[in-house]
Amino acid sequence: GAGVSQSPRYKVAKRGQDVALRCDPISGHVSLFWYQQALGQGPEFLTYFQNEAQLDKSGLPSDRFFAERPEGSVSTLKIQRTQQEDSAVYLCASSLNGRQHFGDGTRLSIL
Amino acid sequence: GQQVMQIPQYQHVQEGEDFTTYCNSSTTLSNIQWYKQRPGGHPVFLIQLVKSGEVKKQKRLTFQFGEAKKNSSLHITATQTTDVGTYFCAGQESGGSNYKLTFGKGTLLTVNP
Repeated sequence: GAGVSQSPRYKVAKRGQDVALRCDPISGHVSLFWYQQALGQGPEFLTYFQNEAQLDKSGLPSDRFFAERPEGSVSTLKIQRTQQEDSAVYLCASSLNGRQHFGDGTRLSIL
Repeated sequence: GQQVMQIPQYQHVQEGEDFTTYCNSSTTLSNIQWYKQRPGGHPVFLIQLVKSGEVKKQKRLTFQFGEAKKNSSLHITATQTTDVGTYFCAGQESGGSNYKLTFGKGTLLTVNP
């Protein structure tokens, strides 16, 4: 596609539920990033993939967060047993040469 | 860990006035990138600066990278209502990974027509 596509755009879940957020990067982009953006803040790095390899997951807040990119294209960010502090916009970005292209994000609200 | 600070947090100007946002890193950077995020939108890449003391211009926007490669600025001349949004700097730490960006908190610019 023309850009990075994320789904769903909005997700409301009850505390304790599991959620899965999808990212479809720009075709051919080797690098894929997940960020968490709280209201009024800049994006905070969560994890980085190069093709299917997760090379850096140092930003994942806890072991409830899990990301995968099994075929080196689409990626899924999964959050288990969601908590209220997980409420944020989750941004995905893909890159070929250092410049990052962001999707519109998934706004996650935990009730 | 690396910290990137931006000031001011907010800036409100009259259309036609100039605007500047400043970015400071706690560590030396290999490069710095600037992004713009419109309200309700996603960050959009504006530019990347790599060389010490580098200055780049894009129409009314002027970007500078400090000599020590620890600070940067974005200056907009004669703002327009289309400039409204949050401007983020994002630094890549020198000697660190060649992919990880640390974003500042951004400067929200509003323009009164």
